[in-house]
Amino acid sequence: AQSVTQPDIHITVSEGASLELRCNYSYGATPYLFWYVQSPGQGLQLLLKYFSGDTLVQGIKGFEAEFKRSQSSFNLRKPSVHWSDAAEYFCAVAPRGAQKLVFGQGTRLTINP
Amino acid sequence: GAVVSQHPSWVICKSGTSVKIECRSLDFQATTMFWYRQFPKQSLMLMATSNEGSKATYEQGVEKDKFLINHASLTLSTLTVTSAHPEDSSFYICSAPTGGNVNTEAFFGQGTRLTVV
Repeated sequence: AQSVTQPDIHITVSEGASLELRCNYSYGATPYLFWYVQSPGQGLQLLLKYFSGDTLVQGIKGFEAEFKRSQSSFNLRKPSVHWSDAAEYFCAVAPRGAQKLVFGQGTRLTINP
Repeated sequence: GAVVSQHPSWVICKSGTSVKIECRSLDFQATTMFWYRQFPKQSLMLMATSNEGSKATYEQGVEKDKFLINHASLTLSTLTVTSAHPEDSSFYICSAPTGGNVNTEAFFGQGTRLTVV
């Protein structure tokens, strides 16, 4: 069955520390891959996306993600987090040729001062 | 970037009444819009695809008679929750891609929190 998994429901890191949020997908063919961020009670903002080409993708707010075909993963990283990064992060996929997104369960990020 | 506006941001209604939620693309035309539902601390689940000038496409398990979708213009889609019940209380979010395929970014509305009492 096609699925998107974010293994970590909640992650806490200290301000200034590095961050990695995990995302694994299960699809017949490599889908389009996305990371979104959601602040409390708000809509979603696109951080970055991968369609093809360079497997290391740069996004907004200092985030990057690396696509690893062999591991069916698309993990999100940031070298040094800021208190303003506290939010809910969603990995999403769109099967090639389709517009609609399938979201992972989300990872809630808490930043310790 | 492009702007998608949702209205209202929150609404409280009595059980048995209907509630209409609007999703507007403010600076681009959207032939397709998507409606998602998000329960507290859970992910977004696609409910339906709204198509301008034609019937919406509902995901499996979503009652089309309960969640009425109308996409009468290229900038407006509406979701009406009919005969709302407490279990319909949720966060509803719409999105609209700026182009004809997923290569273009989909922008999200700010969401509508519905509480049915």
